[in-house]
Amino acid sequence: GNSVTQMEGPVTLSEEAFLTINCTYTATGYPSLFWYVQYPGEGLQLLLKATKADDKGSNKGFEATYRKETTSFHLEKGSVQVSDSAVYFCALRSLGTYKYIFGTGTRLKVLA
Amino acid sequence: AAGVIQSPRHLIKEKRETATLKCYPIPRHDTVYWYQQGPGQDPQFLISFYEKMQSDKGSIPDRFSAQQFSDYHSELNMSSLELGDSALYFCASSYPKGGRRTEAFFGQGTRLTVV
Repeated sequence: GNSVTQMEGPVTLSEEAFLTINCTYTATGYPSLFWYVQYPGEGLQLLLKATKADDKGSNKGFEATYRKETTSFHLEKGSVQVSDSAVYFCALRSLGTYKYIFGTGTRLKVLA
Repeated sequence: AAGVIQSPRHLIKEKRETATLKCYPIPRHDTVYWYQQGPGQDPQFLISFYEKMQSDKGSIPDRFSAQQFSDYHSELNMSSLELGDSALYFCASSYPKGGRRTEAFFGQGTRLTVV
């Protein structure tokens, strides 16, 4: 079945450090891929998405590229801020379905 | 911009009681999804509705039922509540765009505590 594997957290970085959160997936066909962010006590907010191979999603300085050859969708940011502290979820949705499958989430803590 | 509205935001119930969670999707969104997120866990898909019909089903217990109404709002009914049902319940909605489906827009969630 379809699944998403994320690197385990927590990840603790200093402000302005480079961030990478790894995400790999298993799916048939060509799923759409997403990164959602969850701040404490809040719902899931879409951070970025990619719907086909080699697409790059980007938002608020975050980027992720849909790599079909390595079945990956790693999240990166060149310079993190304290306000980026949150839990980040990688997710996929297979074509023709309504179901989103989430990874286990990676907690990021950025220190000033 | 309008967002997905969930009510109530917090709910405390005793074991074996029933609970009803409500979800109001973004206007013109035709699909609603329900997810359950346990403490420190990833959201688990429960069920989805497209145009008032069940479109997909996940790990929803038989004690739970849901439906989408003519105004597209949805309700998740939970009976014989157990301690393990304590979780954050998210509703999300989406709509068709350019022959595809948009990403899911999530509500703030309803935190259910069963005591």
